[in-house]
Amino acid sequence: SYDLTQPLSVSVALGQTARITCGGDNIGSKNVHWYQQKPGQAPVLVIYEDTNRPSGIPERFSGSNSGNTATLTISGAQAGDEADYYCQMGVFGGGTKLTVL
Amino acid sequence: QVHLVQSGAEVKKPGASVKVSCKASGYTFTDDYIHWVRQAPGQGLEWMGWINPKNDGTNYAERFQGRVTMARDTSISTAYMELTRLTSDDTAVYYCARDGAHSVGAVWAFDIWGQGTMVIVSS
Repeated sequence: SYDLTQPLSVSVALGQTARITCGGDNIGSKNVHWYQQKPGQAPVLVIYEDTNRPSGIPERFSGSNSGNTATLTISGAQAGDEADYYCQMGVFGGGTKLTVL
Repeated sequence: QVHLVQSGAEVKKPGASVKVSCKASGYTFTDDYIHWVRQAPGQGLEWMGWINPKNDGTNYAERFQGRVTMARDTSISTAYMELTRLTSDDTAVYYCARDGAHSVGAVWAFDIWGQGTMVIVSS
C-alpha cells in the first residue's frame, strides 16, 4: 500500500505562514487532496488536486506538490485555523496538528 | 444545499453487527460515489471503501474485506455501511463522504461529509 507521511505537529505564530508537508514516493506525479478537521467536527476539503481551493475556502490556503513532497501552506495563520490537517491520495496521511501561537 | 445526514449513535456488543445509513439531499444521488471513512478516538482518518450508487458497484479496503458491506437505496437516496463481527477496535466515528468527481472535477476528493456516526463496541 502507498504510505503518506506527515509531521505529527506544526506550530505557527499568529499571522505567520504555516507549512504542512506530506511525503510519499514520487507523490508529485499524483493528485493530493487536503482536509481540515476541527475537534468534534467532520473533515472539510480545503485543497484538491494539489493546488485548487473549493468555493468558500479562504485564499490564504494554498498547496503545492513536487518530487516526494506535497505541501499545504496557510498564509497569515489565524486562531481559527488551529486544527488537524490530513493529506489524502486514496489513503490518508496520519494527520498533522496545527497550533497557532 | 447539499447534505449527507447519517443515522444516530450505536452501542454494540463484541461479535455483533452495525449498519449505518447516510441520506443524501440537494443533488442527484446516482451522480457521485459515496465513500466511508472511520476515525477511532484520538486517531486519524481511515478509508473503508466506496459504493457507486448508479450501479451498486463497490470497492472495499483490503483490511475490511469480508466484514463490510456497502449498499444503497436509490428510491430514498440513502447509502448504507454494514460492519460485522465487531470488536473493541471498531469503536470509532464513521463518516460517509461524497466523491467530488462531478462537483469539483476531482476524483477521490471528498467534498461533502456526513456529520459522523459514533459506534461504540463494548461488552
